Amino acid sequence: RKEVEQDPGPFNVPEGATVAFNCTYSNSASQSFFWYRQDCRKEPKLLMSVYSSGNEDGRFTAQLNRASQYISLLIRDSKLSDSATYLCVVNIGGGSYIPTFGRGTSLIVHP
Amino acid sequence: GAGVSQSPSNKVTEKGKDVELRCDPISGHTALYWYRQSLGQGLEFLIYFQGNSAPDKSGLPSDRFSAERTGGSVSTLTIQRTQQEDSAVYLCASSPRTGFNEKLFFGSGTQLSVL
Repeated sequence: RKEVEQDPGPFNVPEGATVAFNCTYSNSASQSFFWYRQDCRKEPKLLMSVYSSGNEDGRFTAQLNRASQYISLLIRDSKLSDSATYLCVVNIGGGSYIPTFGRGTSLIVHP
Repeated sequence: GAGVSQSPSNKVTEKGKDVELRCDPISGHTALYWYRQSLGQGLEFLIYFQGNSAPDKSGLPSDRFSAERTGGSVSTLTIQRTQQEDSAVYLCASSPRTGFNEKLFFGSGTQLSVL
C-alpha cells in the first residue's frame, strides 16, 4: 500500500462547480498535511496547509480526518484558472522530515 | 528575493555518460530536498540535507546516484553511467529549516533526457 494515495482523475467540471478531492495516508503517526498545486510543466507550489480543525482560504477548504486517515480539499465556484494537478503531501514527523507526495489529482475546469 | 534556482533547465545526454545537476536554494534555507518526477507520476523522494549533512539517503535509487551540499548552500546531484530509466524531471526544494510544518519552495527543475 502506498503511503499517500490519491485518485489521479481527471476531474472534469464546468466553471462554477464545486469539486472535492480526497487523499488517504497509511501512517497513523503522520504529523502534518498539505495541499500543493502543480501546473503543467511547472514546479509544485504550496496551496494550503491542513489543520486538525480544518481551514479555509477563500474558495478553498481543507479538512483532516485522523480517525479515517484522510484529508480533503474542496473547491467552490471553480474557475478556469483552477485547472491543475493537486498534490497531497504528508509529513510523518517524529524525526523523519521527509514530505511524502501523492501522485496528484488532475482537475480540468471547462467553460 | 531570489527563489530556488536549478541548472541546467534541460539536459540531454547519452546512455552511460555522467551528469551533474545543480541546485541553489533560497539564501538562509538550511534544509534542501531532491525529488524526481517521471512523466505522469508523483514526486519520488531522493535525498535531503540539513545543512551539509544528509540524514536520509534512502530514496537514492542506486549507487549510481550521489549528492553533496557545500557551505550549507549549493547542492549537486550526480548520476553516473546514466540509463534511460533515469529520464525524468529532477526537482530541488528548500525550506527555512527541517521540521514537519515547514513549507517547501521548489525550483523549476531539470528535465533530464537519456538517449
